[in-house]
Amino acid sequence: AQSVTQLGSHVSVSEGALVLLRCNYSSSVPPYLFWYVQYPNQGLQLLLKYTSAATLVKGINGFEAEFKKSETSFHLTKPSAHMSDAAEYFCAVILSGNTGKLIFGQGTTLQVKP
Amino acid sequence: KAGVTQTPRYLIKTRGQQVTLSCSPISGHRSVSWYQQTPGQGLQFLFEYFSETQRNKGNFPGRFSGRQFSNSRSEMNVSTLELGDSALYLCASSLGGPVATDTQYFGPGTRLTVL
Repeated sequence: AQSVTQLGSHVSVSEGALVLLRCNYSSSVPPYLFWYVQYPNQGLQLLLKYTSAATLVKGINGFEAEFKKSETSFHLTKPSAHMSDAAEYFCAVILSGNTGKLIFGQGTTLQVKP
Repeated sequence: KAGVTQTPRYLIKTRGQQVTLSCSPISGHRSVSWYQQTPGQGLQFLFEYFSETQRNKGNFPGRFSGRQFSNSRSEMNVSTLELGDSALYLCASSLGGPVATDTQYFGPGTRLTVL
């Protein structure tokens, strides 16, 4: 079954440091991959998505992710963390033909220390 | 453009009752998906409606049902509530086209507490 795994339920970085949130997917066929962010008491906001057009995907708020087929990974990065980046981040996939059905990872809570 | 709206935002029910949640999609969107978010199980897909028809379904019991109206607004119903149904219920709307060119936009959710 298609699934995504996020390594690390909590990640803590200092303000200004590199942010790296890990996501691996299990599939022999590259799926559609997404990163969403959820701030407290809010819904989910799309950061970026991979649809096979380019392996390096740039998103909002300075985030980007690189699709690596050989590693079945889609890690999210940001060069310099801001306090406002503190939130929960979700990696998700959609299998081809299953529009509207996002399958989410367990989420990673990002803490940014001053 | 107004975003996805969900009503009510908070709800408290007791075991055995039923509940109906509402979702109004972004204007022009024809697809509405529903998700359940709990600390233990995370985010799980419930079902998707497109043009008043259920297009995809997750692995939830029959107590969970939904429908979509001609104006694309959607409701989900949970009957015979159990304590484990306490969760944040999120809906997302999209145009409903191919995944490569479509994006789901989420509402703020309805927080359901079952006592």
